[in-house]
Amino acid sequence: KQEVTQIPAALSVPEGENLVLNCSFTDSAIYNLQWFRQDPGKGLTSLLLIQSSQREQTSGRLNASLDKSSGRSTLYIAASQPGDSATYLCAAGGSNYKLTFGKGTLLTVNP
Amino acid sequence: NAGVTQTPKFRILKIGQSMTLQCTQDMNHNYMYWYRQDPGMGLKLIYYSVGAGITDKGEVPNGYNVSRSTTEDFPLRLELAAPSQTSVYFCASITGTGELFFGEGSRLTVL
Repeated sequence: KQEVTQIPAALSVPEGENLVLNCSFTDSAIYNLQWFRQDPGKGLTSLLLIQSSQREQTSGRLNASLDKSSGRSTLYIAASQPGDSATYLCAAGGSNYKLTFGKGTLLTVNP
Repeated sequence: NAGVTQTPKFRILKIGQSMTLQCTQDMNHNYMYWYRQDPGMGLKLIYYSVGAGITDKGEVPNGYNVSRSTTEDFPLRLELAAPSQTSVYFCASITGTGELFFGEGSRLTVL
């Protein structure tokens, strides 16, 4: 059974800092790895999707990497802003595109 | 293009009542999912569907039922509501490349 762990559970940084969120998964036989953002009381918004054959994806200030052999993914956020404050979730995709989610990292960026 | 639409957004049920959460997507996606999110517990898959007429159980299906008569609609039925079903429910559909799109969520309280 796939298990996904996210570390740290919460992170507080000053504005402008670069930061890394970590995600690990136990079964390396994944189809893809997806990162989401969730604002309080809202649904999940897809940030980046990395297919199993890829090593990384970039979108603006966000960069996500995937290392299947070690069961790890990282989300790098450059030059953080207060608007980046949210919960970030990673999810490992298995058969029938079923996703197994981590519990998330609550990010607070202080002005 | 509305994406994934869920109704109702909020609902309070008494123990033993039944209700249906509605989910509709207008992106012609074959794969659809129902997740529940409990505080600090991440998202758990309840049921999923790979196309009209085809449904299957996820990780936590007990107390729920689904149907998929059309590509667009994937309702989730709660029978004999229990306090343990108090949660936020998310419907999602997926593109051919595996990117997941979520609805805004339905917040259910069972008293």
